[in-house]
Amino acid sequence: TQLLEQSPQFLSIQEGENLTVYCNSSSVFSSLQWYRQEPGEGPVLLVTVVTGGEVKKLKRLTFQFGDARKDSSLHITAAQPGDTGLYLCAGARDYKLSFGAGTTVTVRA
Amino acid sequence: KAGVTQTPRYLIKTRGQQVTLSCSPISGHRSVSWYQQTPGQGLQFLFEYFSETQRNKGNFPGRFSGRQFSNSRSEMNVSTLELGDSALYLCASSLAGPYNEQFFGPGTRLTVL
Repeated sequence: TQLLEQSPQFLSIQEGENLTVYCNSSSVFSSLQWYRQEPGEGPVLLVTVVTGGEVKKLKRLTFQFGDARKDSSLHITAAQPGDTGLYLCAGARDYKLSFGAGTTVTVRA
Repeated sequence: KAGVTQTPRYLIKTRGQQVTLSCSPISGHRSVSWYQQTPGQGLQFLFEYFSETQRNKGNFPGRFSGRQFSNSRSEMNVSTLELGDSALYLCASSLAGPYNEQFFGPGTRLTVL
C-alpha cells in the first residue's frame, strides 16, 4: 500500500491547457518534494515545500502544501510539450522519503 | 560537477543468480539511497547509507543488501534473483539524507529471466 496516493494516474491534455496533479496521504510529513522523471533518466527535483499552507511558484508551475501537511498539489498553467513526463511526489517522514506511484502527464502539441 | 553515475545501465540475469549494482554519488555527498522502481509500485525505498553506515531500511527481504565505501560510493546486491526483481534500480545521493534534495542517477535496468 502506497503511503502517498497520486491522482490521476494518467493525464493527456492539449498544449495551452491547465492541469492539476494531486498527492494525498493520511500521514503527516515534515516536508514534501515534487520530482519530474523523463524516460531513461532518474527523477529531478522540482520543488520542496515545508510549511503547512505553503505555496511555491516556479514559472508556470504552482505547488501547494496542505495546511495539515498531509497533502499537496501541483498545478501547471498553459502546459507545453516540454512538461511531458512522470510527476512524482515524495513525503519525508521517519527519516525516509516515501514516493507516490506518480502521474504520467502527456502534453500534445 | 559530475552527476550520479550508476553501472551497469542494463543487466539481464536468470532466476537464482545474484547481481551487484554500483553507484557513484556526487562529490561531497555522504548520503546514498537506493530505490526500486516498477510500473505497478512506483519508487520503493530499499535503504540509505551515510558515512558507511546503513541508517534506514525499507520493507524488502534480506536478499537485498548494500554497503557504502569510505569514498561514499555504494553497491547494492541482490542474491537468489526472482522474476519479480525485474525493475529499474535507482540510486540517489544527497548532502545529508532523505530530507535534502535527492540527486538521482539514470538507474540500472535489471531483467530477470
